[in-house]
Amino acid sequence: DARVTQTPRHKVTEMGQEVTMRCQPILGHNTVFWYRQTMMQGLELLAYFRNRAPLDDSGMPKDRFSAEMPDATLATLKIQPSEPRDSAVYFCASGLVAGRYVDGYTFGSGTRLTVV
Amino acid sequence: KNEVEQSPQNLTAQEGEFITINCSYSVGISALHWLQQHPGGGIVSLFMLSSGKKKHGRLIATINIQEKHSSLHITASHPRDSAVYICAVMNYGGSQGNLIFGKGTKLSVKP
Repeated sequence: DARVTQTPRHKVTEMGQEVTMRCQPILGHNTVFWYRQTMMQGLELLAYFRNRAPLDDSGMPKDRFSAEMPDATLATLKIQPSEPRDSAVYFCASGLVAGRYVDGYTFGSGTRLTVV
Repeated sequence: KNEVEQSPQNLTAQEGEFITINCSYSVGISALHWLQQHPGGGIVSLFMLSSGKKKHGRLIATINIQEKHSSLHITASHPRDSAVYICAVMNYGGSQGNLIFGKGTKLSVKP
């Protein structure tokens, strides 16, 4: 089965350090999403890309978060500097989206980030 | 008020029971997802539907677009069905694929 691959699975870092999370979407999918899950807020959208172009990053704190898609096989989410409130599970998802047509929406296993 | 509301928040059932989880939403949607998340685990898409009903094994999902309501049913529940079930809607229009999530329903099935 095709999978969305996220690395690392777990990350513990000290406050102030840079954190980079990576996602390999499913080949052929044109849309990549970054979601964050916390106990308080549940799942929420951070950013997403269509054909590698950023479409919406309004869910991201702009001063410290950045999302990029340097090529079709890699999406990255970077936090610099990290803060304890960034502790969460970060999910990547990919799918094939064309207008109202959506196919193959698949989530990665997530990166569990702990900032101490 | 949240755009996606689920009920109940928590549900405990005995093995073999028929289970229903409800989802109501207030926005126009192009599709609705039912997702499953086991403790400490990833998220699995169970169904994506935009009308009618879908069935996969012991799971059935229905949607009523006019009433803005969907239900997830589990027949002959089993302890391995214990998980958080999340309803998520794909907003019709400009959002183009991103999801708005409910808070989830935590299901525990006792043997």
